[in-house]
Amino acid sequence: EAQVTQNPRYLITVTGKKLTVTCSQNMNHEYMSWYRQDPGLGLRQIYYSMNVEVTDKGDVPEGYKVSRKEKRNFPLILESPSPNQTSLYFCASSVTSGRSSYEQYFGPGTRLTVT
Amino acid sequence: DQQVKQNSPSLSVQEGRISILNCDYTNSMFDYFLWYKKYPAEGPTFLISISSIKDKNEDGRFTVFLNKSAKHLSLHIVPSQPGDSAVYFCAETSGSRLTFGEGTQLTVNP
Repeated sequence: EAQVTQNPRYLITVTGKKLTVTCSQNMNHEYMSWYRQDPGLGLRQIYYSMNVEVTDKGDVPEGYKVSRKEKRNFPLILESPSPNQTSLYFCASSVTSGRSSYEQYFGPGTRLTVT
Repeated sequence: DQQVKQNSPSLSVQEGRISILNCDYTNSMFDYFLWYKKYPAEGPTFLISISSIKDKNEDGRFTVFLNKSAKHLSLHIVPSQPGDSAVYFCAETSGSRLTFGEGTQLTVNP
């Protein structure tokens, strides 16, 4: 089954404790991206990757890191989480054509709470 | 500044009637607009898209209209069904970036 998986689905942590949220897709997509969803703000793009070893900042990259060492995986790293990073996080992937990404397939989301 | 705006946080319609969800944008240099549907505890799922060179795209009960002069697009669902109750996001794609609106909660009452 074609899918995007994220782990963990739920996480409660404390300020400053490094964490990683994993994302994996089995569709051989070149493009992968991370979003956060907050009430009244919709989904905002954190980072995206056009292919292996190619990553770029989205609209809200501060406090986050990513890596793309393999095509299928795109982990999101919070080196020193803070309470304002409490949010619902989504990973997504898609095929690309030239510069454009098309319809993106989303994972089920990771609910992160930082106390 | 929000580049893609959905000014109605919620919409309620009767089953069988038309649902119209609206989206306004500021960036004229986009490639596509896409609509996503999101149920609670799930990720968004792609619904329908429209290219910047078109003004209408139809897929079954779903039709998206693009008015470039007004920088406005709308999603029509006819007829609406209770299973359509979800949060709908419009999103603009420009190159490799995807910018979402705030979302509209649609409730279809039986």
